[in-house]
Amino acid sequence: GAVVSQHPSRVICKSGTSVKIECRSLDFQATTMFWYRQFPKKSLMLMATSNEGSKATYEQGVEKDKFLINHASLTLSTLTVTSAHPEDSSFYICSLKGQGAETEAFFGQGTRLTVV
Amino acid sequence: GQNIDQPTEMTATEGAIVQINCTYQTSGFNGLFWYQQHAGEAPTFLSYNVLDGLEEKGRFSSFLSRSKGYSYLLLKELQMKDSASYLCAVRDSNYQLIWGAGTKLIIKP
Repeated sequence: GAVVSQHPSRVICKSGTSVKIECRSLDFQATTMFWYRQFPKKSLMLMATSNEGSKATYEQGVEKDKFLINHASLTLSTLTVTSAHPEDSSFYICSLKGQGAETEAFFGQGTRLTVV
Repeated sequence: GQNIDQPTEMTATEGAIVQINCTYQTSGFNGLFWYQQHAGEAPTFLSYNVLDGLEEKGRFSSFLSRSKGYSYLLLKELQMKDSASYLCAVRDSNYQLIWGAGTKLIIKP
């Protein structure tokens, strides 16, 4: 299966600052990556679909100006949480779909963001 | 709307068998996935069903009935390390994954 590297695994930041999370596909070119957020004891919530070379597609209710997504290459997508607030504290996970419709989603290790 | 239902929590005994059910209503169907997620970690792939029937993989098996919109994950010879959340996800007609809320499985000695 594909290897997805997500960094950092944990980050604590002050309220009002910005945090960048990186998601790298290590062994194949990913034209599409997905960003999820997961609150404790809740399911994965899709935030946005990141497409290489074009603007990301955001899910309803997700502020595109707050959660900036950049997918500049076939192996790297970044999510920047701007002007973070305590309510943004969550577990953020990236994933990419394998090549072919039958393959599963491959996940990064996740990033635990705590805003204090 | 699209919906996936699974029990919130289940408890089972080490060495026993447990079945986790998942029912779904989605716009189209292009496969059903089961993932295991330990607390604080990313989900890991367990199984994939696209045709009706049972798929067996070691101690884990997954069943699908498309006509009933129903799947289950069967875990045999339970071990303490199987304590985790189990997520059911369906790929819809747009090839987007729709996720259930997950079932927290607690294994007791």
